[in-house]
Amino acid sequence: DAKTTQPPSMDCAEGRAANLPCNHSTISGNEYVYWYRQIHSQGPQYIIHGLKNNETNEMASLIITEDRKSSTLILPHATLRDTAVYYCIVRPSFSQGAQKLVFGQGTRLTINP
Amino acid sequence: DAGVTQSPTHLIKTRGQQVTLRCSPKSGHDTVSWYQQALGQGPQFIFQYYEEEERQRGNFPDRFSGHQFPNYSSELNVNALLLGDSALYLCASSSSDRENSPLHFGNGTRLTVT
Repeated sequence: DAKTTQPPSMDCAEGRAANLPCNHSTISGNEYVYWYRQIHSQGPQYIIHGLKNNETNEMASLIITEDRKSSTLILPHATLRDTAVYYCIVRPSFSQGAQKLVFGQGTRLTINP
Repeated sequence: DAGVTQSPTHLIKTRGQQVTLRCSPKSGHDTVSWYQQALGQGPQFIFQYYEEEERQRGNFPDRFSGHQFPNYSSELNVNALLLGDSALYLCASSSSDRENSPLHFGNGTRLTVT
């Protein structure tokens, strides 16, 4: 399974964009990058995923570098409710058992008023 | 549209006992997996069920077993509980219809072994 590297913690001011980096230099060509977040005492919440192209949904944007070795999750206008641990995960291809997600330590994002 | 539901939310057991945790997948999902999350750590994959069979297993001993029912709901059983089994147990579901269907997680069962 491809390994990801994330900073252990980050701070961001409320209302500003939060940019969370992730390195996944050993990613394979058919592996997707997934982002989840976990607010205290809740289960992980799916945010977004992508393969090669940049993706955007109602929660966030995902920017993947051309060589796919790193990505950035962008929360455009962070609120206090975005305070959580954010996990960047490289998901194995379906043939390898796509429900096995390998979680690292994640990035603890704190949004400050 | 109900998401993934788990029961109970909290449970206290004594070392050596057995426990059963339950999970109902999100509507439209047919694949279920279980994760264990120790305090301060990321979730760890236990196993996955599809078509009522265990399809993949993580690095967990045989004391951890499961079952999937025809309605896609699932149970996680842990025998001979150890203090180290204290953790948040998470259930996740997805649809087999779409490759790379995102996993959706429940809020977990907090198990405390004393």
